[in-house]
Amino acid sequence: QITLKESGPTLVKPTQTLTLTCTFSGFSLNTSGVGVGWIRQPPGKALEWLALIYWDDDKRYSPSLNSRLTITKDTSKNQVVLTMTNMDPVDTATYYCALMLSYFDYWGQGTLVTVSS
Amino acid sequence: NFMLTQPHSVSESPGKTVTISCTRSSGSIASNYVQWYQQRPGSSPTTVIYEDTQRPSGVPDRFSGSIDSSSNSASLTISGLKTEDEADYYCQSYYSINWVFGGGTKLTVL
Repeated sequence: QITLKESGPTLVKPTQTLTLTCTFSGFSLNTSGVGVGWIRQPPGKALEWLALIYWDDDKRYSPSLNSRLTITKDTSKNQVVLTMTNMDPVDTATYYCALMLSYFDYWGQGTLVTVSS
Repeated sequence: NFMLTQPHSVSESPGKTVTISCTRSSGSIASNYVQWYQQRPGSSPTTVIYEDTQRPSGVPDRFSGSIDSSSNSASLTISGLKTEDEADYYCQSYYSINWVFGGGTKLTVL
């Protein structure tokens, strides 16, 4: 059974750095072709892809947020970590991690992050 | 880069058929696969169509996907509408290093 779960702070202050962890089970990020991505959704708004990391450590970032994002993996812990710098109230959203085989096959439950002073 | 444009909302009665469009702003819709995700209120998205026309196991055959190169768009068609189909639907595609989602369509079944 494949599961993913996001964890991290629920509240961050403007200008702070957000660190989110995706802990997964049921698959290995050592397997060829496997990727884990991050997608966010502001309240009442659409989904937005943020970043993706592949089994071979290839990393991809949204062009509009590239300068603020870093994605890493720890295969021994079955975790993927996303950091986003210089947080702003417009970054308030539910952040999801998802398994990518050929598309976003499996999603976590999401974690709501609010940016406010 | 490109955008995927969806209607903001559609509504239809139970038992009827509805089609949701997803128009690609530049580049050919046929160049990269299109996926469709269903998101019920308070839940994470789930895939209802992948690779333009394929249904994951467990998705009823009332859901179907298609591509139309003449309008540069993809479509999700749901037949025999049920109240449980009421949800937001997002199309998604890929180009170069960018995964793009459409703006989402709210389906109301009334």
